Amino acid sequence: TQLLEQSPQFLSIQEGENLTVYCNSSSVFSSLQWYRQEPGEGPVLLVTVVTGGEVKKLKRLTFQFGDARKDSSLHITAAQPGDTGLYLCAGAPGNQFYFGTGTSLTVIP
Amino acid sequence: NAGVTQTPKFRILKIGQSMTLQCTQDMNHNYMYWYRQDPGMGLKLIYYSVGAGITDKGEVPNGYNVSRSTTEDFPLRLELAAPSQTSVYFCANRQELWIAGPGFGSGTRLTVV
Repeated sequence: TQLLEQSPQFLSIQEGENLTVYCNSSSVFSSLQWYRQEPGEGPVLLVTVVTGGEVKKLKRLTFQFGDARKDSSLHITAAQPGDTGLYLCAGAPGNQFYFGTGTSLTVIP
Repeated sequence: NAGVTQTPKFRILKIGQSMTLQCTQDMNHNYMYWYRQDPGMGLKLIYYSVGAGITDKGEVPNGYNVSRSTTEDFPLRLELAAPSQTSVYFCANRQELWIAGPGFGSGTRLTVV
């Protein structure tokens, strides 16, 4: 059983379209992180959300933390080919640090 | 994250062989982690450490061992390699802030044949 479930697992869209990736858990987190990973590289931290209901924007990326701090979403507006990659949510219930199942995004020019 | 260095970058092992994946940091963080990642998937936690001399199991510890004799080094040992251990292995460190996320090394791609 995965602590953090992401959906969808795979997403292939045309350049300019919008998309949303979801990260869900039955556990409460004090904070959640979103990472982006490119092939052959380690994950790179995009953002940390810490307050229930919080919304953070990073250019065309909008991150939201659920009110109950059990879920989060990532919305990309007007996707570009450079957004292609594996998106991972992550969080720490205690000293462990767990990652979600991942969403592989392909943006077609 | 230039602060976490992993060696080797690539390795091919035969079934039953053993090896140690090296991980060292120059950031003096107490928290360190080992993950494995299969193609197109998320990362699964193998072992973690909250300081020198302290280690604990993660989600998938079977077939692996770790040690943490110093703050800087956190090696991962594979005994009796099996094809199921073919994966990319990432080491990471993390500050002791509850909002901090890990920073990663560049990974070790291991193939067991």
